[in-house]
Amino acid sequence: GAVVSQHPSWVICKSGTSVKIECRSLDFQATTMFWYRQFPKQSLMLMATSNEGSKATYEQGVEKDKFLINHASLTLSTLTVTSAHPEDSSFYICSAPVRDRVYEQYFGPGTRLTVT
Amino acid sequence: RKEVEQDPGPFNVPEGATVAFNCTYSNSASQSFFWYRQDCRKEPKLLMSVYSSGNEDGRFTAQLNRASQYISLLIRDSKLSDSATYLCVGDSGGYNKLIFGAGTRLAVHP
Repeated sequence: GAVVSQHPSWVICKSGTSVKIECRSLDFQATTMFWYRQFPKQSLMLMATSNEGSKATYEQGVEKDKFLINHASLTLSTLTVTSAHPEDSSFYICSAPVRDRVYEQYFGPGTRLTVT
Repeated sequence: RKEVEQDPGPFNVPEGATVAFNCTYSNSASQSFFWYRQDCRKEPKLLMSVYSSGNEDGRFTAQLNRASQYISLLIRDSKLSDSATYLCVGDSGGYNKLIFGAGTRLAVHP
């Protein structure tokens, strides 16, 4: 069964609105979670590393004021896309390493965001 | 230059065929490598880790050549259910992150 869940699985929103995506680890605690973005026929690109109880670490080129990350508990991280625009339409996937083995990550099912 | 490069394919093969995917990486500090499988519109799922000594899991064999910075995946006796995109993945060399290749698409036909 799934060990990482995401909600919602898909969302359509209007340009200028904000969208929150939740990522939960099931049956285990995750002090670290990762947020990725994937455009069609392209690779997963790491956006940021979410750290429980502290600020997220963003990858170069990712606007931290646009993609707000909150890791408020050991089982929940949220990504908020603020003032979404059509170019933000993408597949957003979170992951969590299991048992502190950061390279063995379980991925959530992803959230497909479409901004109209 | 991308850190992890793969031939995008697609590879179109008949059932029962043997197919090989190649991948190269540029970060010599990378230590851990993996093959993930991603179905259309789904999340990636770990297929297998890759070791220098080579490792096999049923019909799948992975190999790592550190000197050439080259990784391979061999699939024998292809099944229709093997149709997917195969992602070559390496670690970032001490920064606790995974770097994904763009993936190689495989289509197995009857």
